[in-house]
Amino acid sequence: DTAVSQTPKYLVTQMGNDKSIKCEQNLGHDTMYWYKQDSKKFLKIMFSYNNKELIINETVPNRFSPKSPDKAHLNLHINSLELGDSAVYFCASSQGSYNEQFFGPGTRLTVL
Amino acid sequence: GESVGLHLPTLSVQEGDNSIINCAYSNSASDYFIWYKQESGKGPQFIIDIRSNMDKRQGQRVTVLLNKTVKHLSLQIAATQPGDSAVYFCAEKIYYNAGNMLTFGGGTRLMVKP
Repeated sequence: DTAVSQTPKYLVTQMGNDKSIKCEQNLGHDTMYWYKQDSKKFLKIMFSYNNKELIINETVPNRFSPKSPDKAHLNLHINSLELGDSAVYFCASSQGSYNEQFFGPGTRLTVL
Repeated sequence: GESVGLHLPTLSVQEGDNSIINCAYSNSASDYFIWYKQESGKGPQFIIDIRSNMDKRQGQRVTVLLNKTVKHLSLQIAATQPGDSAVYFCAEKIYYNAGNMLTFGGGTRLMVKP
């Protein structure tokens, strides 16, 4: 019955690897987001998708490629992982772009 | 550049006391602000919001005050409880033609002493 879910919750990997984080929402929302939270708790938006279409891309390296197979899913694929990619990644969703955003539990990515 | 920021990184209060968490913003065009609560190991959770045409908005045990003159936002929590211990973020909503994005402040950690 989780509204916004992410998998995996923890991800530890070596530099240079490629990894994916999955996000699903069962709220019927049409807009989904990815945020990055660094070690100082600073939250910054990365991407926003509305009805599977990319709306916002906040100067994220093209090693990050979001994919939205349908309105309920927004996955994040990261190529050639770097140490600086270590962070907690949050998925969120909202109904329309002007309403409250609901956040998932986060995925803690550690790049060694 | 324009940003949303917080005055205090950590606030420690006694259980039962009132808490006040402050936030300064510099984008005078911002017209919508939100407070989020993030507990350890969880995602941010919406607490309360306020639009720029309001000065004050009350929820259950929480009140948000907006002072547009000095670009200041505060969150007041009445009768603080141990369950209120978390990191609190203020965020402003910036609108694009096709949507919006949230710009978050740096967060304030609230610690409630029993």
